[in-house]
Amino acid sequence: EAGVAQSPRYKIIEKRQSVAFWCNPISGHATLYWYQQILGQGPKLLIQFQNNGVVDDSQLPKDRFSAERLKGVDSTLKIQPAKLEDSAVYLCASSLLRGAYEQYFGPGTRLTVT
Amino acid sequence: GQQLNQSPQSMFIQEGEDVSMNCTSSSIFNTWLWYKQDPGEGPVLLIALYKAGELTSNGRLTAQFGITRKDSFLNISASIPSDVGIYFCAGVSGGYQKVTFGIGTKLQVIP
Repeated sequence: EAGVAQSPRYKIIEKRQSVAFWCNPISGHATLYWYQQILGQGPKLLIQFQNNGVVDDSQLPKDRFSAERLKGVDSTLKIQPAKLEDSAVYLCASSLLRGAYEQYFGPGTRLTVT
Repeated sequence: GQQLNQSPQSMFIQEGEDVSMNCTSSSIFNTWLWYKQDPGEGPVLLIALYKAGELTSNGRLTAQFGITRKDSFLNISASIPSDVGIYFCAGVSGGYQKVTFGIGTKLQVIP
């Protein structure tokens, strides 16, 4: 079974530029999560999708971050414009059902904003 | 956003030693989870705890759900070099079963 795929693995941009991350969850997984992990900290949930609907985006900085999940499968997370404090690893995870604790994480995208 | 407190934040141990780490919160959780993260990878679930007082083992790992539902403990027995990594606790709460992660414990094993 293929795992959660993310791309790119690394991205370096200048502040005020835009960036987008892509995630392909495990086939059949209804729930998809985006986390932000700042160096030295645990992952922080940004947004949770159930199929293609948002169930929790309370910690998503909506003035600059946006996310969508097309047709309940792939998802993209966008930052526009980026700030220095957005430098982090962005992790995507998926699970079979909402609330299923077996979340499978992708390898993450390491973003550096200069 | 809330993050759970984990201690110690880092530790060096000799191969073969036992390890203990804990996680505390000011909030009550319905479920406690323990994850391990290797460099350049996403976290992997090690143990899930569903009831206060529950004690669960997974090989050399043992975890307990605190009676107050505000804390959890993870023990690793007879550590080996591949135990190196960052261990995160996570609490689950709320109607949408939101997962809140701890700050992590970095474990180094000296062969």
